[in-house]
Amino acid sequence: QKEVEQNSGPLSVPEGAIASLNCTYSDRGSQSFFWYRQYSGKSPELIMSIYSNGDKEDGRFTAQLNKASQYVSLLIRDSQPSDSATYLCAVTDKGGSEKLVFGKGTKLTVNP
Amino acid sequence: DVKVTQSSRYLVKRTGEKVFLECVQDMDHENMFWYRQDPGLGLRLIYFSYDVKMKEKGDIPEGYSVSREKKERFSLILESASTNQTSMYLCASRGNTEAFFGQGTRLTVV
Repeated sequence: QKEVEQNSGPLSVPEGAIASLNCTYSDRGSQSFFWYRQYSGKSPELIMSIYSNGDKEDGRFTAQLNKASQYVSLLIRDSQPSDSATYLCAVTDKGGSEKLVFGKGTKLTVNP
Repeated sequence: DVKVTQSSRYLVKRTGEKVFLECVQDMDHENMFWYRQDPGLGLRLIYFSYDVKMKEKGDIPEGYSVSREKKERFSLILESASTNQTSMYLCASRGNTEAFFGQGTRLTVV
């Protein structure tokens, strides 16, 4: 069974700090990687997608992918209280059908 | 804007009832998914579909079935609802990039 593991958290950081969220996956054939943010009582919304090794930056967010280590991370710079949410890592493969599997999520709290 | 619409936001059903949860997307996506979300367990995949009339079991298919007769619509069926199926159900739709989610259905089985 393909698995996606996230650091269990909860994670608490002060406002303005860097929050680091980590995810490992078990299927070496995985090709697409996503970070979603979910506020309490809401549906997940996409933060970042990454498909190749290296870093991808979008504003205060940076996704990092290392396929050899089967590891993907999300860094949030200058964390704001509005970043407080649960962050979900999702992974898909392309072996005929594209199953999308999520980790259990890491709850982040940014303290003013 | 991509729109994924689930038929109900809140639903209360009795044990043993047959329950239908409907999901419609307007982006011509091939892939559609049904998840349930429970505290501490994250999003667990029930079933997904990669084409009309095609379906695959996810990680927790027991007690559920699905139907995809048209590309835009993916239905989740609880054949005989039980209290342990009380949960938040999320539908998602995906083309070649990211998945988009519906607003969720909070199902309570009493």
